[in-house]
Amino acid sequence: GQNIDQPTEMTATEGAIVQINCTYQTSGFNGLFWYQQHAGEAPTFLSYNVLDGLEEKGRFSSFLSRSKGYSYLLLKELQMKDSASYLCAVGGNTGFQKLVFGTGTRLLVSP
Amino acid sequence: SAVISQKPSRDICQRGTSLTIQCQVDSQVTMMFWYRQQPGQSLTLIATANQGSEATYESGFVIDKFPISRPNLTFSTLTVSNMSPEDSSIYLCSVKQQETQYFGPGTRLLVL
Repeated sequence: GQNIDQPTEMTATEGAIVQINCTYQTSGFNGLFWYQQHAGEAPTFLSYNVLDGLEEKGRFSSFLSRSKGYSYLLLKELQMKDSASYLCAVGGNTGFQKLVFGTGTRLLVSP
Repeated sequence: SAVISQKPSRDICQRGTSLTIQCQVDSQVTMMFWYRQQPGQSLTLIATANQGSEATYESGFVIDKFPISRPNLTFSTLTVSNMSPEDSSIYLCSVKQQETQYFGPGTRLLVL
């Protein structure tokens, strides 16, 4: 079966660092994705990991451990505009034909 | 990344009616997908829209309820048929480019 777990909600302070974890159990693995979704808007692509290790992109970094079925999204120097839902998704089929999404983590950044 | 547009952006419909949602991409893409996001939930894949062949539906979704067209490599439609209030949701078109899926702005549907 497919199972992707994320915390439901997290809170953090402006300027801080926050780590959002994602664990997954899927039939097949063809990459792990992080998306940001502001309320009332469509998801926006943030990062893609297919090999173990850390991918850094500005204030955002994403880590993957395939053996542990684990990923995290690290947000540094938090800003108020980072308040959003963060969705972990796994590409689980050969040829990457579909994504399975976690339920998302709502992040609230306070002043 | 591809620029994706959807029409309508939102609609309020009566139960028993049908609504067709259009998705237009500014470049040719092989794979297009339709997702649903119910209130407070994450995204669920409805089907993969294949150009030149029938759509591939996920478990729990059937062609009679969600017929899909894919007449060319830049366009697709999803119809929500015989709607009920449970169909109230955001419907999102998505395309695959290189190794990533990108999403359209979504269609917000409210069924009364």
